Amino acid sequence: RKEVEQDPGPFNVPEGATVAFNCTYSNSASQSFFWYRQDCRKEPKLLMSVYSSGNEDGRFTAQLNRASQYISLLIRDSKLSDSATYLCVVNEAKAAGNKLTFGGGTRVLVKP
Amino acid sequence: DAGITQSPRHKVTETGTPVTLRCHQTENHRYMYWYRQDPGHGLRLIHYSYGVKDTDKGEVSDGYSVSRSKTEDFLLTLESATSSQTSVYFCAISESRLNLRNTIYFGEGSWLTVV
Repeated sequence: RKEVEQDPGPFNVPEGATVAFNCTYSNSASQSFFWYRQDCRKEPKLLMSVYSSGNEDGRFTAQLNRASQYISLLIRDSKLSDSATYLCVVNEAKAAGNKLTFGGGTRVLVKP
Repeated sequence: DAGITQSPRHKVTETGTPVTLRCHQTENHRYMYWYRQDPGHGLRLIHYSYGVKDTDKGEVSDGYSVSRSKTEDFLLTLESATSSQTSVYFCAISESRLNLRNTIYFGEGSWLTVV
């Protein structure tokens, strides 16, 4: 079982619709969580951190469910420019130092 | 955007030849990382550096070496390239040691093809 798993998609989303997807992680000792966005043939860019109480950044909402060990990302009022791959990142505290583990990404395609 | 420059951005090389990828940062960040990204595997850490001349292995370090002689430069060397090292290589930086709140920022990537 992979440490961080994501549905690879693609999620085909009509423009203006809402889309949500999850990321599950296997290590209950995971401490912090992030969503990155990656456009085709570009570098991953930090989209937002995920806080325990859930947090919003404009049209994006991130949630954390520690009991079930998953995080989620919801995109409201989808724009064509939201088409990208969204990477889930889990930060684990280890004896040798923190470790970031990346999911394989969820591809989102927003269509007119 | 974080001031990270990778070179070369694209390279095709032959099996068995040495290859060096360069990462240059203008942020004066202490920590630098090399990742590779492959379909089905996500991003995987190759090596990282926590200061000048201070480096350590990541999860996929076999076949790679690194050097950091200056704060701003982190070099990744494939001593004898193999086809399995065909990949996209990303350099990343972080201001400090990873903790519960901070994270890393990536360079634009270097596309390497070994034929």
